[in-house]
Amino acid sequence: KQEVTQIPAALSVPEGENLVLNCSFTDSAIYNLQWFRQDPGKGLTSLLLIQSSQREQTSGRLNASLDKSSGRSTLYIAASQPGDSATYLCAVRRGGNTPLVFGKGTRLSVIA
Amino acid sequence: GAVVSQHPSWVICKSGTSVKIECRSLDFQATTMFWYRQFPKQSLMLMATSNEGSKATYEQGVEKDKFLINHASLTLSTLTVTSAHPEDSSFYICSASGGPNEQFFGPGTRLTVL
Repeated sequence: KQEVTQIPAALSVPEGENLVLNCSFTDSAIYNLQWFRQDPGKGLTSLLLIQSSQREQTSGRLNASLDKSSGRSTLYIAASQPGDSATYLCAVRRGGNTPLVFGKGTRLSVIA
Repeated sequence: GAVVSQHPSWVICKSGTSVKIECRSLDFQATTMFWYRQFPKQSLMLMATSNEGSKATYEQGVEKDKFLINHASLTLSTLTVTSAHPEDSSFYICSASGGPNEQFFGPGTRLTVL
């Protein structure tokens, strides 16, 4: 059974700092990996989706990498801002119409 | 991008009553929808997979007689929490599969059972 682990569970950084969030998964037979953002009491916002054949995806200040063979992904946030404060969730999909399996998330606080 | 709506966005009910939550894919057809539950400060846990025109597949530990799922059309799935109790209070999120690539998530429904 696929298990997704995110480290750290919580992170607090000063504004402007670059940071890395880590995600690992136990079964490397994935179809894709997705990073989401969730604000308190809200739904999910998709940030980046990486197909299993890809190594990384970039969107603005965000860069996500994928090392499928080692079961790892990182989300890099450059020049963090207070508005980046949220919980970041990593999720993997085995394939086809299978559901996403989520990690427990990293709660990020960016302090002005 | 594809849009998934949920209704209601929040609901408060008395213990013992039933609550229905709707999940709609607004601009695409979804043969498969997924229902997740999220307790405070926890991650999303899959409850069931809903396939249009067939019975839902429930995850281990999820009572199918308590959480009734109906996927009667390609754009609508409903989750009914029957005889709700305070421990059912949670954030319920649905997602619709628009194909093998991506799942699109609804905004969630916050259920509070008094």
